[in-house]
Amino acid sequence: ELKVEQNPLFLSMQEGKNYTIYCNYSTTSDRLYWYRQDPGKSLESLFVLLSNGAVKQEGRLMASLDTKARLSTLHITAAVHDLSATYFCAVDPSSGTYKYIFGTGTRLKVLA
Amino acid sequence: EPEVTQTPSHQVTQMGQEVILRCVPISNHLYFYWYRQILGQKVEFLVSFYNNEISEKSEIFDDQFSVERPDGSNFTLKIRSTKLEDSAMYFCASSPLDRRETQYFGPGTRLLVL
Repeated sequence: ELKVEQNPLFLSMQEGKNYTIYCNYSTTSDRLYWYRQDPGKSLESLFVLLSNGAVKQEGRLMASLDTKARLSTLHITAAVHDLSATYFCAVDPSSGTYKYIFGTGTRLKVLA
Repeated sequence: EPEVTQTPSHQVTQMGQEVILRCVPISNHLYFYWYRQILGQKVEFLVSFYNNEISEKSEIFDDQFSVERPDGSNFTLKIRSTKLEDSAMYFCASSPLDRRETQYFGPGTRLLVL
């Protein structure tokens, strides 16, 4: 059974600080996705990573994928309060099925 | 900007009753999905749908569940006889033919089974 694990599960950080969220998965996949979810809201697509070594950046967030290590990271640079949300990674376990398996989520709180 | 819409936003039902959750995907999208999220837990894939057929389904999507595209715009999820453990947020998503890897999620329907 494919497992997708994120750590940390909870993260409280000060504004202006940097931090990294990790997403490990247990099977071969070269497709990984990051989503953001605000409380009581839907999922917003942040990044689509489709190959080993893929790196994408949007504002203060940068995501990368290492398919050999089965690891993706979401790096936060100089956090601001607006980044407070839950972040999920999702893996497509069989290329082309789009049957996403989501991680456990990381609840991020950025303190002013 | 086009969005996926879902109705109702909230649904309360009695155990054993049938519910139908409705979704209107983005108009030029061809792939449709249902996910659920039990409160405080991760998002779980239920089913994907393309060309009027189920493409993939998870172990959760048993005989109590069915999906349908009754017309050119709606995509529905039916739960035939709801159980307490069906209480969750149900998200519909859609993706276009040329960028299937990007799924656009609707706002969700919160289902509470009493």
